[in-house]
Amino acid sequence: EAGVTQSPTHLIKTRGQQVTLRCSPISGHTSVYWYQQALGLGLQFLLWYDEGEERNRGNFPPRFSGRQFPNYSSELNVNALELEDSALYLCASSPDVASQYFGPGTRLLVL
Amino acid sequence: QKEVEQNSGPLSVPEGAIASLNCTYSDRGSQSFFWYRQYSGKSPELIMSIYSNGDKEDGRFTAQLNKASQYVSLLIRDSQPSDSATYLCAVISRQAGTALIFGKGTTLSVSS
Repeated sequence: EAGVTQSPTHLIKTRGQQVTLRCSPISGHTSVYWYQQALGLGLQFLLWYDEGEERNRGNFPPRFSGRQFPNYSSELNVNALELEDSALYLCASSPDVASQYFGPGTRLLVL
Repeated sequence: QKEVEQNSGPLSVPEGAIASLNCTYSDRGSQSFFWYRQYSGKSPELIMSIYSNGDKEDGRFTAQLNKASQYVSLLIRDSQPSDSATYLCAVISRQAGTALIFGKGTTLSVSS
């Protein structure tokens, strides 16, 4: 069974730019979660999508947004990039409200 | 008080020993608890989930949950150098819907 996939693997952007990250969940999983893992801050919850709807968001500004498509894949958009947005962005999918399985992540560097 | 707390370590154990990793959480209503392993430069990998008080064993891993003390632990028996990684405790908290709230992780080093 294929795992969660994410693209791109690495990205370098400059401050003020916009970025889109992509995630495909495990087949059959309808929930997609986005997390940010910044150095020294640990994994922090960003967004949760289920059945195409945003169900919950973490304590992040509105310039972090996303969507989920009918095939349950998801995008995370970050506008007006700031230096502190440099982090590993992780997508996880879940078949229920419990176990979450992570993709390999997208490493974003903002210069 | 942080929602999920772990000792950052590093925790160093010799090969073959038992490694004990601990985690406390603040939301008394939390119902689901997980341990993830994260190798350097990689994404977290789910290794254990536990929902009820007591012990749950899976191979060399045992998760222990005590809801009254708001405490969850992970024991790794017969530790191997390949177990060297950061172990993340995660909790599903009522306050955050179904999102995982993570501790900052404990770094385990197993020496051969």
